[in-house]
Amino acid sequence: AQSVTQPDIHITVSEGASLELRCNYSYGATPYLFWYVQSPGQGLQLLLKYFSGDTLVQGIKGFEAEFKRSQSSFNLRKPSVHWSDAAEYFCAVGATNAGNMLTFGGGTRLMVKP
Amino acid sequence: DAGVIQSPRHEVTEMGQEVTLRCKPISGHNSLFWYRQTMMRGLELLIYFNNNVPIDDSGMPEDRFSAKMPNASFSTLKIQPSEPRDSAVYFCATTRGSGGAADTQYFGPGTRLTVL
Repeated sequence: AQSVTQPDIHITVSEGASLELRCNYSYGATPYLFWYVQSPGQGLQLLLKYFSGDTLVQGIKGFEAEFKRSQSSFNLRKPSVHWSDAAEYFCAVGATNAGNMLTFGGGTRLMVKP
Repeated sequence: DAGVIQSPRHEVTEMGQEVTLRCKPISGHNSLFWYRQTMMRGLELLIYFNNNVPIDDSGMPEDRFSAKMPNASFSTLKIQPSEPRDSAVYFCATTRGSGGAADTQYFGPGTRLTVL
């Protein structure tokens, strides 16, 4: 079965600083990988996804993520964080042998200092 | 498009009462998922439907939980009887596709359930 680990439960960065959120997955083949963002009191919104091809994918709100097969990682990055980016971020993996099911990581809560 | 609609947004009930959560998927979406989110366990998939048929309900915690999708426009998640440990945020999500983990899931705003 697939699994996802987000090692950092909380991260605090200053506004304007760069950001990297870590995600490691476990799956026997090439997975489908997703990053979702959840603002307080809201549902999850898709930031970006990777299926195949170019390992650097661009998403909404200036986010990007890089798939590294050798490290089983799919880290999320943003060059300059805005106060509105404060939210919880979830990495998820979808496996081709598990139908439509996604497995989510535990989430990383991002706080942005002024 | 209105997105995935969930009701109610907040529900407070007493232990032992029946609770019904509702979800209206995005028009044309073929798959529907119910998730539960708690601090302790994170996001858990409870059940998902494809073309109104339950495909996998292995995440449903107990017989107290049941879910139905009588048509393509409506689904319910029922807890009877409810217990304090059922307190959580329940999300509904839908996808346009009928199969495959590549489909993007669109989430509703959630229902925050508190069982006293």
